Amino acid sequence: DAGITQSPRHKVTETGTPVTLRCHQTENHRYMYWYRQDPGHGLRLIHYSYGVKDTDKGEVSDGYSVSRSKTEDFLLTLESATSSQTSVYFCAISFDRVYEQYFGPGTRLTVT
Amino acid sequence: GENVEQHPSTLSVQEGDSAVIKCTYSDSASNYFPWYKQELGKGPQLIIDIRSNVGEKKDQRIAVTLNKTAKHFSLHITETQPEDSAVYFCAATRNSGNTPLVFGKGTRLSVIA
Repeated sequence: DAGITQSPRHKVTETGTPVTLRCHQTENHRYMYWYRQDPGHGLRLIHYSYGVKDTDKGEVSDGYSVSRSKTEDFLLTLESATSSQTSVYFCAISFDRVYEQYFGPGTRLTVT
Repeated sequence: GENVEQHPSTLSVQEGDSAVIKCTYSDSASNYFPWYKQELGKGPQLIIDIRSNVGEKKDQRIAVTLNKTAKHFSLHITETQPEDSAVYFCAATRNSGNTPLVFGKGTRLSVIA
């Protein structure tokens, strides 16, 4: 398995609180991605990074921010969590955009 | 931007039968088309991909076909087995800039023993 870890794996938080999810890779891949997965919507891209400090928005970026200060870490922050952000969040990495994306195990986030 | 439609959303087949999942894409410049399988409680995993310079690719019981003119591609699974039960996602992207993959909404395949 590709060396990708996500932390935490499960989190329950209250509306209005800040939340940070961490993705860590040991593969030295250039590209990193954050997706959310919801029933009926499949995988939707939140933000992605194509290098240290190089990030861009995806399809559903509102309410989320990201940071990548090191090749191996990509952080996803919900500044003020809302119930609509209850979801399973997946991090993925790839050597290049048109190469295989390796997915992490996911983080289940519940906002009450 | 790219838009990927995937059908059907659910599919049930008898063990041993074939399963076909179809996807259409909107961006004629897209040239990379992977398929991912997601088992319960896990992240998606690449099972096969195809690039626009070929029309078909096979790997044991799975195959993918691509019709660039019609802008659609399909996943074929033959001799289905219970362990093929999962959610399958198609995706597409073009090889320019930093444009990421765009995924379809997924197909839940159930193989009935």
